[in-house]
Amino acid sequence: GAVVSQHPSWVICKSGTSVKIECRSLDFQATTMFWYRQFPKQSLMLMATSNEGSKATYEQGVEKDKFLINHASLTLSTLTVTSAHPEDSSFYICSAPSSGSLSYEQYFGPGTRLTVT
Amino acid sequence: KNEVEQSPQNLTAQEGEFITINCSYSVGISALHWLQQHPGGGIVSLFMLSSGKKKHGRLIATINIQEKHSSLHITASHPRDSAVYICSLETSGSRLTFGEGTQLTVNP
Repeated sequence: GAVVSQHPSWVICKSGTSVKIECRSLDFQATTMFWYRQFPKQSLMLMATSNEGSKATYEQGVEKDKFLINHASLTLSTLTVTSAHPEDSSFYICSAPSSGSLSYEQYFGPGTRLTVT
Repeated sequence: KNEVEQSPQNLTAQEGEFITINCSYSVGISALHWLQQHPGGGIVSLFMLSSGKKKHGRLIATINIQEKHSSLHITASHPRDSAVYICSLETSGSRLTFGEGTQLTVNP
């Protein structure tokens, strides 16, 4: 089946620094990718929709200047957490549908655990 | 009221038991997904449903579009089935909205 990878799998950074997380579709092209955040004991929350070649669409309450998304190719989307603060510590997961159409299977990355100290 | 609600929130079973997790929703959807999240955080897509019933090994998923309800069944449960099971709704543009999840623990 299709595979989505994320890098890094975990990262610890100091408050005020920026962290970049990569999401790659390894064996299919993804014109759309989704970024989620999950706090402990909570469900996933959609942060933004990453669109290849155009601007990302952010969910209400998500700061686009803080969470920069770039989808420069059909297999790579990046999420940069800028000026990270301890409250940004979370589990970040990406997913990609196997095509750009509706109702196609979603493939999830393994997640990136971010800890901001 | 959340768009998607799961029950139960927590479920403990003995190995071999038949397990049912329910999902009710209140919006129009293009599909419903059942996901499995293991303790390490990785998420696996189990089923994508738009109608009827699907079976994969010991897992069965059903959906009733008119009643806006879906169930996930696990037959002959095993400790390795212990995970969080998440019902998620696919709406426009493949966006997913997630239920709170059901923590399943299967004891040997």
